[in-house]
Amino acid sequence: AIQLSQSPSSLSASVGDRVTITCRASQDISTALAWYQQKPGKAPTVLIYDASTLESGVPSRFSGSGSGTDFTLTISSLQPEDFATYYCQDFRGYPHRVAFGGGTKVEIK
Amino acid sequence: QLQLLESGPGLVKPSETLSLTCSVSGGSISRSTYSWAWIRQPPGKGLEWIGTVSYSGTTDYSPSLKSRVSISVSPSRIQFSLRLNSVTAAETAVYFCARVWVVRGAPHFDYWGQGTLVAVSS
Repeated sequence: AIQLSQSPSSLSASVGDRVTITCRASQDISTALAWYQQKPGKAPTVLIYDASTLESGVPSRFSGSGSGTDFTLTISSLQPEDFATYYCQDFRGYPHRVAFGGGTKVEIK
Repeated sequence: QLQLLESGPGLVKPSETLSLTCSVSGGSISRSTYSWAWIRQPPGKGLEWIGTVSYSGTTDYSPSLKSRVSISVSPSRIQFSLRLNSVTAAETAVYFCARVWVVRGAPHFDYWGQGTLVAVSS
């Protein structure tokens, strides 16, 4: 089974910082990757799909890149509402298999 | 605006069956563009995909749960359900339902329910 490894598992940053989160797949998954944001006590919301397509309504400060095994989620200028946990998700095996990364918690410095 | 809402018992005894329903409003389960999924999240931990059902009733399950799980669409086609047999305390989690939308060959979970906490305890 394909494993997704996110790094870092947590980070501290300040408002206005540029933040980059990495997701590495154990095998080539092409661009079959999505990114989600989850705030405490809430359901996740999709930010990016197909590795780099911004979901409608998501602020343009969020961007995704990568293909194959290495992917990144970038927040160009961190806003107060962006403090949350971020998950990557692999859809290469969809519909037979879907996997999530372990998550990256973005905290206020 | 599509809305999903999970419902079911908040407490299940070990070895018994967990049963949840996801009610879909503002949209149809029957559109071929979409599939419907269950995901769970133990307290303080990450997300785990449980399985997916297509508009036609075709199912796919996590290999680790496949022998104990069943997902189905109700005849009314405004709900879909999850059944998980022989649960253990480790399966205490928030259970989410979600819609899967495939855009230009790229799936993603675009709408989610609020989640429902199910505790497994005697």
